[in-house]
Amino acid sequence: EVQLVESGGGLVQPGRSLKLSCLASGFTFSNYGMNWIRQAPGKGLEWVASISSSSSYIYYADTVKGRFTISRDNAKNTLYLQMTSLRSEDTALYYCARDGGLPGPDYWGQGVMVTVSS
Amino acid sequence: DIQLTQSPSSMSASLGDRVSLTCQSSQGIGNYLSWYQHKPGKPPKPMIYYATNLADGVPSRFSGSRSGSDYSLTISSLESEDTAIYYCLQYDEYPNTFGAGTKLELK
Repeated sequence: EVQLVESGGGLVQPGRSLKLSCLASGFTFSNYGMNWIRQAPGKGLEWVASISSSSSYIYYADTVKGRFTISRDNAKNTLYLQMTSLRSEDTALYYCARDGGLPGPDYWGQGVMVTVSS
Repeated sequence: DIQLTQSPSSMSASLGDRVSLTCQSSQGIGNYLSWYQHKPGKPPKPMIYYATNLADGVPSRFSGSRSGSDYSLTISSLESEDTAIYYCLQYDEYPNTFGAGTKLELK
């Protein structure tokens, strides 16, 4: 069974940093690209970043480019999102999602909440 | 960036109704469009991928279609469990983009 479990969220002050993790199981992690997707309270879904299976290709939304870094450790079956210079508008539920290729994002974690507030 | 315009933004329908939701792309994306059902407290659930393919475990009353740059999600006979927000996503190019969503409620 495919499982994605996010962790690392919490309350952080504006301008500070936070690192999210997503532990994958039930599939060969190193064969799949991965995504981070978020949903701010009361808002719709927003794609944040993607990384290819070997980390060769990385893409970011303009809203986080230069502040967030997506990475992965295939030996640990783990996806990361390093978030710096956090803003109140980064407050959201962050999901990691597997890139199934033709199906697009096909498996999603339960999400981890990040709240940016003083 | 590619814009996806979903319509309507919200709608209500009766049990057994045929319901169609639309997603219009601002640029050509081929069939690289998927639909997600999102309920409170749960992650989005894939419903349709590559415009017309039913995701695993999705009831056959759901279907997807494409006409040019217009994509549709159709529920042939609405059931109570179908109430949710539905989002379309284009994954043809980066940045991937979601539509704003359609909230589907029971009348």
